Amino acid sequence: DADVTQTPRNRITKTGKRIMLECSQTKGHDRMYWYRQDPGLGLRLIYYSFDVKDINKGEISDGYSVSRQAQAKFSLSLESAIPNQTALYFCATKAGNTGELFFGEGSRLTVL
Amino acid sequence: AQSVAQPEDQVNVAEGNPLTVKCTYSVSGNPYLFWYVQYPNRGLQFLLKYITGDNLVKGSYGFEAEFNKSQTSFHLKKPSALVSDSALYFCAVSAHRGSTLGRLYFGRGTQLTVWP
Repeated sequence: DADVTQTPRNRITKTGKRIMLECSQTKGHDRMYWYRQDPGLGLRLIYYSFDVKDINKGEISDGYSVSRQAQAKFSLSLESAIPNQTALYFCATKAGNTGELFFGEGSRLTVL
Repeated sequence: AQSVAQPEDQVNVAEGNPLTVKCTYSVSGNPYLFWYVQYPNRGLQFLLKYITGDNLVKGSYGFEAEFNKSQTSFHLKKPSALVSDSALYFCAVSAHRGSTLGRLYFGRGTQLTVWP
Protein backbone atom coordinates (compact mmCIF):
# COMPACT_ATOMS: atom_id res chain seq x y z
CA ASP A 1 0.00 0.00 0.00
CA ALA A 2 1.11 3.54 -0.73
CA ASP A 3 2.48 5.62 2.15
CA VAL A 4 0.46 8.65 1.04
CA THR A 5 -2.94 7.92 -0.48
CA GLN A 6 -5.12 10.43 -2.28
CA THR A 7 -8.76 10.03 -3.24
CA PRO A 8 -10.23 10.46 -5.75
CA ARG A 9 -7.46 10.09 -8.35
CA ASN A 10 -9.59 11.72 -11.01
CA ARG A 11 -12.66 13.90 -10.72
CA ILE A 12 -14.71 15.88 -13.19
CA THR A 13 -17.12 18.38 -11.71
CA LYS A 14 -19.12 21.43 -12.70
CA THR A 15 -18.67 25.06 -11.82
CA GLY A 16 -20.18 25.90 -8.44
CA LYS A 17 -20.04 22.39 -7.04
CA ARG A 18 -18.36 21.57 -3.74
CA ILE A 19 -15.55 19.08 -4.00
CA MET A 20 -13.34 17.42 -1.41
CA LEU A 21 -9.99 15.78 -1.99
CA GLU A 22 -8.81 13.46 0.72
CA CYS A 23 -5.35 12.45 1.83
CA SER A 24 -4.22 9.85 4.32
CA GLN A 25 -0.72 8.77 5.28
CA THR A 26 0.95 5.91 7.08
CA LYS A 27 4.36 7.58 7.43
CA GLY A 28 3.61 8.86 10.93
CA HIS A 29 4.67 12.38 9.93
CA ASP A 30 3.25 15.41 11.67
CA ARG A 31 3.54 17.73 8.70
CA MET A 32 1.13 17.55 5.78
CA TYR A 33 0.84 19.72 2.69
CA TRP A 34 -1.44 20.36 -0.26
CA TYR A 35 0.14 21.52 -3.52
CA ARG A 36 -1.30 22.35 -6.88
CA GLN A 37 0.58 21.62 -10.13
CA ASP A 38 -0.08 23.49 -13.35
CA PRO A 39 1.98 23.02 -16.52
CA GLY A 40 4.87 25.47 -16.62
CA LEU A 41 4.18 26.77 -13.13
CA GLY A 42 5.66 24.02 -11.01
CA LEU A 43 4.11 23.27 -7.64
CA ARG A 44 2.42 25.93 -5.59
CA LEU A 45 1.55 25.52 -1.94
CA ILE A 46 -2.13 25.80 -1.02
CA TYR A 47 -2.20 24.92 2.69
CA TYR A 48 0.00 23.14 5.17
CA SER A 49 -0.33 21.76 8.66
CA PHE A 50 2.34 21.02 11.25
CA ASP A 51 -0.03 19.14 13.52
CA VAL A 52 -3.74 18.61 14.10
CA LYS A 53 -4.22 22.02 15.69
CA ASP A 54 -2.00 23.94 13.30
CA ILE A 55 -3.23 25.03 9.86
CA ASN A 56 -1.41 27.57 7.68
CA LYS A 57 -2.15 29.25 4.40
CA GLY A 58 0.25 28.82 1.54
CA GLU A 59 0.82 30.89 -1.58
CA ILE A 60 -2.58 30.30 -3.20
CA SER A 61 -5.14 29.53 -0.49
CA ASP A 62 -8.00 31.66 -1.87
CA GLY A 63 -10.93 29.48 -2.92
CA TYR A 64 -9.70 26.52 -0.87
CA SER A 65 -10.11 25.26 2.67
CA VAL A 66 -8.61 22.35 4.58
CA SER A 67 -9.34 20.12 7.51
CA ARG A 68 -6.84 18.10 9.54
CA GLN A 69 -9.12 15.43 10.95
CA ALA A 70 -6.32 13.42 12.53
CA GLN A 71 -2.55 13.21 12.34
CA ALA A 72 -2.88 10.91 9.35
CA LYS A 73 -5.65 12.72 7.46
CA PHE A 74 -5.66 16.06 5.70
CA SER A 75 -8.46 16.99 3.30
CA LEU A 76 -8.72 19.84 0.80
CA SER A 77 -12.07 21.39 -0.10
CA LEU A 78 -13.21 23.63 -2.90
CA GLU A 79 -16.41 25.19 -1.65
CA SER A 80 -17.53 26.40 -5.06
CA ALA A 81 -15.33 25.09 -7.83
CA ILE A 82 -14.38 27.26 -10.79
CA PRO A 83 -12.70 26.29 -14.08
CA ASN A 84 -9.32 27.83 -13.21
CA GLN A 85 -9.08 25.36 -10.34
CA THR A 86 -8.63 22.65 -12.93
CA ALA A 87 -5.24 21.20 -12.02
CA LEU A 88 -3.33 18.28 -10.58
CA TYR A 89 -3.38 18.33 -6.78
CA PHE A 90 -0.79 16.67 -4.60
CA CYS A 91 -0.77 15.84 -0.94
CA ALA A 92 2.59 15.41 0.75
CA THR A 93 4.00 14.64 4.18
CA LYS A 94 7.27 15.59 5.78
CA ALA A 95 9.29 14.69 8.85
CA GLY A 96 10.79 17.80 10.42
CA ASN A 97 12.51 20.79 8.89
CA THR A 98 15.25 18.86 7.10
CA GLY A 99 13.19 15.94 5.91
CA GLU A 100 12.09 15.44 2.35
CA LEU A 101 8.50 15.51 1.17
CA PHE A 102 6.71 12.24 0.40
CA PHE A 103 4.05 12.74 -2.24
CA GLY A 104 0.83 11.00 -3.06
CA GLU A 105 0.05 9.99 -6.63
CA GLY A 106 -2.03 13.08 -7.25
CA SER A 107 -5.70 13.95 -7.81
CA ARG A 108 -6.55 15.29 -11.23
CA LEU A 109 -9.47 17.70 -10.99
CA THR A 110 -11.35 19.08 -13.96
CA VAL A 111 -13.91 21.82 -13.43
CA LEU A 112 -16.24 22.36 -16.37
CA ALA B 1 11.27 35.87 0.03
CA GLN B 2 12.26 32.36 -0.95
CA SER B 3 12.34 31.38 -4.61
CA VAL B 4 13.83 28.89 -7.01
CA ALA B 5 14.73 29.37 -10.66
CA GLN B 6 15.21 26.60 -13.17
CA PRO B 7 16.38 28.55 -16.22
CA GLU B 8 15.82 25.75 -18.74
CA ASP B 9 12.35 24.43 -19.50
CA GLN B 10 13.88 21.56 -21.45
CA VAL B 11 17.20 19.74 -21.52
CA ASN B 12 17.99 17.25 -24.26
CA VAL B 13 20.96 14.90 -24.09
CA ALA B 14 22.12 11.74 -25.81
CA GLU B 15 22.27 8.51 -23.87
CA GLY B 16 25.70 8.00 -22.35
CA ASN B 17 26.51 11.70 -22.25
CA PRO B 18 26.72 13.68 -19.01
CA LEU B 19 23.69 15.73 -18.06
CA THR B 20 23.18 18.88 -16.01
CA VAL B 21 19.90 20.39 -14.87
CA LYS B 22 20.38 23.88 -13.47
CA CYS B 23 18.90 25.43 -10.37
CA THR B 24 19.50 28.72 -8.60
CA TYR B 25 17.80 29.83 -5.42
CA SER B 26 17.08 32.80 -3.21
CA VAL B 27 16.49 32.33 0.50
CA SER B 28 17.00 34.18 3.75
CA GLY B 29 19.84 32.56 5.61
CA ASN B 30 21.13 29.08 4.97
CA PRO B 31 19.10 26.94 2.60
CA TYR B 32 17.90 23.39 2.61
CA LEU B 33 17.92 22.26 -1.04
CA PHE B 34 16.15 19.35 -2.70
CA TRP B 35 15.76 17.68 -6.07
CA TYR B 36 12.68 15.70 -7.06
CA VAL B 37 11.77 13.75 -10.18
CA GLN B 38 8.31 13.23 -11.66
CA TYR B 39 7.49 10.50 -14.15
CA PRO B 40 4.30 10.78 -16.24
CA ASN B 41 1.10 10.39 -14.23
CA ARG B 42 3.02 9.94 -10.98
CA GLY B 43 3.75 11.92 -7.86
CA LEU B 44 7.11 13.50 -7.22
CA GLN B 45 9.91 11.30 -5.95
CA PHE B 46 12.79 12.51 -3.81
CA LEU B 47 16.26 12.31 -5.40
CA LEU B 48 18.63 14.05 -3.03
CA LYS B 49 19.04 16.91 -0.58
CA TYR B 50 21.61 19.29 0.81
CA ILE B 51 21.26 20.23 4.45
CA THR B 52 24.79 20.90 5.61
CA GLY B 53 28.30 19.52 5.21
CA ASP B 54 29.90 18.33 1.99
CA ASN B 55 28.90 20.49 -0.95
CA LEU B 56 28.66 17.47 -3.26
CA VAL B 57 25.59 15.41 -2.51
CA LYS B 58 24.94 11.97 -3.97
CA GLY B 59 21.44 10.65 -4.43
CA SER B 60 19.28 8.03 -6.06
CA TYR B 61 19.79 6.53 -9.54
CA GLY B 62 23.36 7.86 -9.86
CA PHE B 63 22.42 11.51 -9.59
CA GLU B 64 24.45 14.07 -7.69
CA ALA B 65 24.24 17.79 -7.04
CA GLU B 66 26.72 20.42 -5.99
CA PHE B 67 25.83 23.19 -3.58
CA ASN B 68 27.58 26.45 -4.49
CA LYS B 69 26.88 29.11 -1.91
CA SER B 70 28.62 31.96 -3.74
CA GLN B 71 26.62 31.33 -6.90
CA THR B 72 23.45 30.32 -4.98
CA SER B 73 23.19 27.27 -7.20
CA PHE B 74 22.38 23.61 -6.76
CA HIS B 75 22.77 21.99 -10.17
CA LEU B 76 21.76 18.36 -10.69
CA LYS B 77 24.24 16.17 -12.55
CA LYS B 78 24.75 12.64 -13.79
CA PRO B 79 27.91 11.40 -15.50
CA SER B 80 26.15 9.13 -18.00
CA ALA B 81 22.49 9.67 -18.92
CA LEU B 82 20.01 6.86 -19.50
CA VAL B 83 16.86 6.93 -21.61
CA SER B 84 14.98 6.00 -18.43
CA ASP B 85 16.14 9.29 -16.85
CA SER B 86 13.71 11.13 -19.10
CA ALA B 87 11.30 12.88 -16.75
CA LEU B 88 10.36 16.22 -15.21
CA TYR B 89 12.82 17.45 -12.59
CA PHE B 90 12.07 19.93 -9.83
CA CYS B 91 14.42 21.85 -7.60
CA ALA B 92 13.11 23.06 -4.23
CA VAL B 93 14.37 25.23 -1.40
CA SER B 94 13.42 25.58 2.24
CA ALA B 95 14.52 28.23 4.68
CA HIS B 96 16.71 27.32 7.61
CA ARG B 97 14.67 29.48 9.95
CA GLY B 98 12.07 32.23 10.00
CA SER B 99 8.38 32.59 9.31
CA THR B 100 8.45 30.20 6.37
CA LEU B 101 10.26 27.45 8.22
CA GLY B 102 9.18 24.05 6.96
CA ARG B 103 7.79 25.26 3.64
CA LEU B 104 9.32 24.09 0.38
CA TYR B 105 9.36 26.40 -2.62
CA PHE B 106 9.55 24.68 -5.99
CA GLY B 107 10.96 25.74 -9.32
CA ARG B 108 8.86 25.45 -12.46
CA GLY B 109 10.50 22.21 -13.49
CA THR B 110 12.85 21.11 -16.26
CA GLN B 111 11.83 18.43 -18.73
CA LEU B 112 14.79 16.14 -19.36
CA THR B 113 14.76 14.07 -22.54
CA VAL B 114 17.46 11.50 -23.13
CA TRP B 115 17.46 10.08 -26.63
CA PRO B 116 18.95 6.71 -27.58
